[in-house]
Amino acid sequence: SYEVTQPPSVSVSPGQTASITCSGDKLGDKYACWYQQKPGQSPVLVIYQDRKRPSGIPERFSGSNSGNTATLTIRGTQAMDEADYYCQAWDSSTWVFGGGTKLTVL
Amino acid sequence: QVQLVQSGAEVKMPGASVKVSCKASGYTFTTYYLHWVRQAPGQGLEWMGIVNPSGGSTSYAQKFQGRVTMTRDTSTSTVYMELSSLRSEDTAVYYCARAQGLVQADGFDIWGQGTMVTVSS
Repeated sequence: SYEVTQPPSVSVSPGQTASITCSGDKLGDKYACWYQQKPGQSPVLVIYQDRKRPSGIPERFSGSNSGNTATLTIRGTQAMDEADYYCQAWDSSTWVFGGGTKLTVL
Repeated sequence: QVQLVQSGAEVKMPGASVKVSCKASGYTFTTYYLHWVRQAPGQGLEWMGIVNPSGGSTSYAQKFQGRVTMTRDTSTSTVYMELSSLRSEDTAVYYCARAQGLVQADGFDIWGQGTMVTVSS
């Protein structure tokens, strides 16, 4: 079965750029989505189809996907962006989530 | 507004079954597929399966085949997820989530508030 892998944690200083990666075999040939989840809350879709932002998601969130790696980039990171982030891919009628990355803003 | 409202928390004995509901409102129920995703305490998200509210067809993750049943009631705009032969490892928050579009890559744009299911003797 298909798998995608994320780093367990990423740290960033306020105002800087955070990059969270998601790796999978030929992931660039598929599409990636990204979700933000804050403690005690349901996940929120922040990127779909590799790089599209749903309405209401700030422009500082962007995505890319090439080769074996999809990347979520947060420019001008704010304290409110501290959360768990999950990538998601679709393969053979199955939706797969990465293990999640805890983003710490310090 | 568009929302998914789930049923309340459940406590079940090992070996029992649980049925969680997810009521949709604010949009045409039969237009969007619905998924079920679970999250064990302190763990990541795990996809369980998908139901087509229009025709009722389903597809389940291999891990849950034979143990999960997803159904829908178009008269009440509600989907259900029933998980049987519960074990302690099934303790988790169960979410329903709406597929944003017909393309698999469109993601899940609306999520329910989650239903905590605790399996304990």
